[in-house]
Amino acid sequence: NAGVMQNPRHLVRRRGQEARLRCSPMKGHSHVYWYRQLPEEGLKFMVYLQKENIIDESGMPKERFSAEFPKEGPSILRIQQVVRGDSAAYFCASSQNREGSYEQYFGPGTRLTVT
Amino acid sequence: DQQVKQNSPSLSVQEGRISILNCDYTNSMFDYFLWYKKYPAEGPTFLISISSIKDKNEDGRFTVFLNKSAKHLSLHIVPSQPGDSAVYFCAASPTSGTYKYIFGTGTRLKVLA
Repeated sequence: NAGVMQNPRHLVRRRGQEARLRCSPMKGHSHVYWYRQLPEEGLKFMVYLQKENIIDESGMPKERFSAEFPKEGPSILRIQQVVRGDSAAYFCASSQNREGSYEQYFGPGTRLTVT
Repeated sequence: DQQVKQNSPSLSVQEGRISILNCDYTNSMFDYFLWYKKYPAEGPTFLISISSIKDKNEDGRFTVFLNKSAKHLSLHIVPSQPGDSAVYFCAASPTSGTYKYIFGTGTRLKVLA
């Protein structure tokens, strides 16, 4: 019974490097969401994707951040030229989004540390 | 501007007693609410949800109450168990089936044995 899977669980990057975070949704789920949690804060919505489509990226910083959910393979959240302020826990969630079943199920998160 | 507020950062309760976690919201367009539980180094786990057409939803030891006029919801856990110790987040969305959950900052519950 595989839930939402994220890897890596921990990622350390130096300033200026690229970070790639992966998310495989639950079986049967075709909707993926990315959230970011800064220390002592709640989760903040970043982006909502369906296969090959970005539905809403209103929570994504305008620069350096991008996300994709290709036809095959996991969803990827990509952060270019990371800065210290990008250090956070990044959570992916998935859902069925069919009538009566809207709950999002979260993965264990990727903790990004920028040194 | 924090649209979903959990004003108590922490709460301690004796095992067997009731835990009451509170959440306030400011946006009257929210009409679907959820509670998640989160253990350290894990992702949030869905607990229970409620639509604005209801004022109460119950699932085992967990009950969520919604007071729309006060823009307030609460999660009751009865009886509380040590395994319930975790951070609890409430979340809201504008309409059922809408993806953009707005999360509160969480309340850390500690159940004392």
